[in-house]
Amino acid sequence: ETGVTQTPRHLVMGMTNKKSLKCEQHLGHNAMYWYKQSAKKPLELMFVYSLEERVENNSVPSRFSPECPNSSHLFLHLHTLQPEDSALYLCASSQGDTGTENTGELFFGEGSRLTVL
Amino acid sequence: KNQVEQSPQSLIILEGKNCTLQCNYTVSPFSNLRWYKQDTGRGPVSLTIMTFSENTKSNGRYTATLDADTKQSSLHITASQLSDSASYICVVIMYSSASKIIFGSGTRLSIRP
Repeated sequence: ETGVTQTPRHLVMGMTNKKSLKCEQHLGHNAMYWYKQSAKKPLELMFVYSLEERVENNSVPSRFSPECPNSSHLFLHLHTLQPEDSALYLCASSQGDTGTENTGELFFGEGSRLTVL
Repeated sequence: KNQVEQSPQSLIILEGKNCTLQCNYTVSPFSNLRWYKQDTGRGPVSLTIMTFSENTKSNGRYTATLDADTKQSSLHITASQLSDSASYICVVIMYSSASKIIFGSGTRLSIRP
């Protein structure tokens, strides 16, 4: 148990569906992240929220829409996805900047396995 | 270009044997390097964190080394167990930026009984 909970763990959706992934952290952290993990590829950063403000969006297609209503919750809204969007979506949280050893350790959730048909 | 390269891509060893995983990076400015273990279908879990001034750090049967001059790190696993079967991901953090986290592709380690 890392203190970061993701739901659902598995999701199958059609290309015309609208669904959402949810992430909740119980660690009191002030930064939350969405990552995409495809087979045999490095984790790809999608979105970063710090103090509930989006600080980075790595040119993610608009069919992915994040929402951070407070520092403990993060959503990823999905609509009109493509089969190539099938992947493991990981949420993570950290406290402060990751630029020093003692702060910013990333804690990951278990991931949401998404399959787009 | 900031990159993290890991080798081998996959590795199979017998239970009880030792192994070493490699990580080379071209990330600058460097802040720290981390090794994560990721079990199949689960999120990564941190094993070690090493800063510029640290050469080695241990966590049980896991020992990480760092050579900041050659920009190389290794993760040595001693007396492997079946539960060590996982992907091991090398991650390099750029200085002073929460989003500049560079991930390697990982080494897939399989332990055979």
